[in-house]
Amino acid sequence: GESVGLHLPTLSVQEGDNSIINCAYSNSASDYFIWYKQESGKGPQFIIDIRSNMDKRQGQRVTVLLNKTVKHLSLQIAATQPGDSAVYFCAEAPEGDDKIIFGKGTRLHILP
Amino acid sequence: DARVTQTPRHKVTEMGQEVTMRCQPILGHNTVFWYRQTMMQGLELLAYFRNRAPLDDSGMPKDRFSAEMPDATLATLKIQPSEPRDSAVYFCASGPPGTGYLYTEAFFGQGTRLTVV
Repeated sequence: GESVGLHLPTLSVQEGDNSIINCAYSNSASDYFIWYKQESGKGPQFIIDIRSNMDKRQGQRVTVLLNKTVKHLSLQIAATQPGDSAVYFCAEAPEGDDKIIFGKGTRLHILP
Repeated sequence: DARVTQTPRHKVTEMGQEVTMRCQPILGHNTVFWYRQTMMQGLELLAYFRNRAPLDDSGMPKDRFSAEMPDATLATLKIQPSEPRDSAVYFCASGPPGTGYLYTEAFFGQGTRLTVV
């Protein structure tokens, strides 16, 4: 069940290395940001979120960094594993609104 | 294991036919989203509900699409009449009540793959 686009940017990373996936958002009014992971044939799965009053948040093997000045969000995955292969989406929600709007996605490819 | 359940998983229909997709949100969740995913457009928000009330359906073609929540355990997305350009994967997601904020993470179902021929 293929559910992702053919024209997504792709990041290829060696297994065991760290991955950094970047996202630029456009709405300066957004104050809640989320990273989702989507494996082939499945729905997006929540990874980590961050609110605009923070610039860094850590989870298990993942870290999200937020730079509001340049409207940039990144997801760092430590010690990338084969199971991390997926499409990663950043999503945002504007202040005072609970619409979650998705970006275009980045495909992460793990090299053996 | 709480999850969002969508039916059917796959649907092939002829142009002009009515299509109804169903979603059972996670029990206790009060926000429901409908998204459409295509190769060209990615994930588009079609509509979302809070406490069964539609809050925003601006992403939905009004002439043929309709979304409802007959009760707290069922959300439906209907297309009538369907067209080939409606072919996509339709995802439903639900979210729990926020704690001191409007929202928290959304949990997605497996999607309904719709093909209109």
